[in-house]
Amino acid sequence: EAGVAQSPRYKIIEKRQSVAFWCNPISGHATLYWYQQILGQGPKLLIQFQNNGVVDDSQLPKDRFSAERLKGVDSTLKIQPAKLEDSAVYLCASSSGQLNQPQHFGDGTRLSIL
Amino acid sequence: GEDVEQSLFLSVREGDSSVINCTYTDSSSTYLYWYKQEPGAGLQLLTYIFSNMDMKQDQRLTVLLNKKDKHLSLRIADTQTGDSAIYFCAESIQGGGNKLTFGTGTQLKVEL
Repeated sequence: EAGVAQSPRYKIIEKRQSVAFWCNPISGHATLYWYQQILGQGPKLLIQFQNNGVVDDSQLPKDRFSAERLKGVDSTLKIQPAKLEDSAVYLCASSSGQLNQPQHFGDGTRLSIL
Repeated sequence: GEDVEQSLFLSVREGDSSVINCTYTDSSSTYLYWYKQEPGAGLQLLTYIFSNMDMKQDQRLTVLLNKKDKHLSLRIADTQTGDSAIYFCAESIQGGGNKLTFGTGTQLKVEL
């Protein structure tokens, strides 16, 4: 079974620029999550999708972050404009969507803001 | 509120047992998870335990849950150099839509 795929693996941009990350979940997984992991911390949930609908985006800084999962499969996360404090690893995870089924993570995109 | 705490660092000798501890505050936790993160990689699910269990064993891994004290531990028997990584515990909350709250992670260093 193929795992969660993310791209790019690394991205370096200057502050105030925009950036987008892509995630393809495990085939058949209805639920998709985006997490932000700042160096030295555990991952923090940004947004959760169930198929193509948003379940929880309470921690997403909506003035600069946006995410979509238009067809209920792959997803993009965008930051515009980026700030220095957005430097982090952005992790995508997916699960089957059944209650308490474990989440499986991709390798993440490491974002550095100069 | 949700809060998960772990000690930051643990060093053990190869072949010894490692015990990584975690405390959580939300009594409505349903499942508790252990993930492993190697440098530059995502999180690898190691094991998880339902909150009405007190122990789960899976090969070299033993999870102990003390629900009264809200304390979770992961024991790794016969620790190997390949076990060096950061270990995160995480909880999911009843009614929380499978949302995970992670601890800050424990860095395990295995020395020869």
